Amino acid sequence: DVKVTQSSRYLVKRTGEKVFLECVQDMDHENMFWYRQDPGLGLRLIYFSYDVKMKEKGDIPEGYSVSREKKERFSLILESASTNQTSMYLCASSLSPPGGAFSYEQYFGPGTRLTVT
Amino acid sequence: GEDVEQSLFLSVREGDSSVINCTYTDSSSTYLYWYKQEPGAGLQLLTYIFSNMDMKQDQRLTVLLNKKDKHLSLRIADTQTGDSAIYFCAESFALSNDYKLSFGAGTTVTVRA
Repeated sequence: DVKVTQSSRYLVKRTGEKVFLECVQDMDHENMFWYRQDPGLGLRLIYFSYDVKMKEKGDIPEGYSVSREKKERFSLILESASTNQTSMYLCASSLSPPGGAFSYEQYFGPGTRLTVT
Repeated sequence: GEDVEQSLFLSVREGDSSVINCTYTDSSSTYLYWYKQEPGAGLQLLTYIFSNMDMKQDQRLTVLLNKKDKHLSLRIADTQTGDSAIYFCAESFALSNDYKLSFGAGTTVTVRA
């Protein structure tokens, strides 16, 4: 049974704090993704990684950074949390090899609801 | 462009059919997906369709693809209360090898008794 876990379901942080969101997958997937989900805006890609120590900016990387030191773990870092980063954060992973729809299928974690006060 | 658009809300009576619509703009899309998000959970793949197909059926789910109009729909037959969720359509791109998906805003489906 495939599994993507996220370190916290709910998190409350203060403005200016450094925040770490952790994601772990047990499927040996090459690709990992961080999204934020906001009502009416759907999922927006923050960063993704297609290999260990590799990272690529998504559509909204400003204010965020990522780390991927091991294949199974992808961390999202808010360097200095702000109230406009209050959101639901979703991590996902997928296989790399091309050749079929399921190679693009992303498996999602349950999400972390972050509130910045 | 990588824009995927969906209506935001749908209310349906239990036992009726639900139809969720999606439009996309990139003609190079290879696969189109429907994901379901139940309250408090992450997204789960429901079904997908390859861009050279025009219909796919999987139990109560029917996906219709109109490539000319870039329109995708998901029909849920005999809608149940457990079908209440947010439904996202997503597309992936033949010319991209970074395995990204582009998601719509999601349609919140409410099933009423």
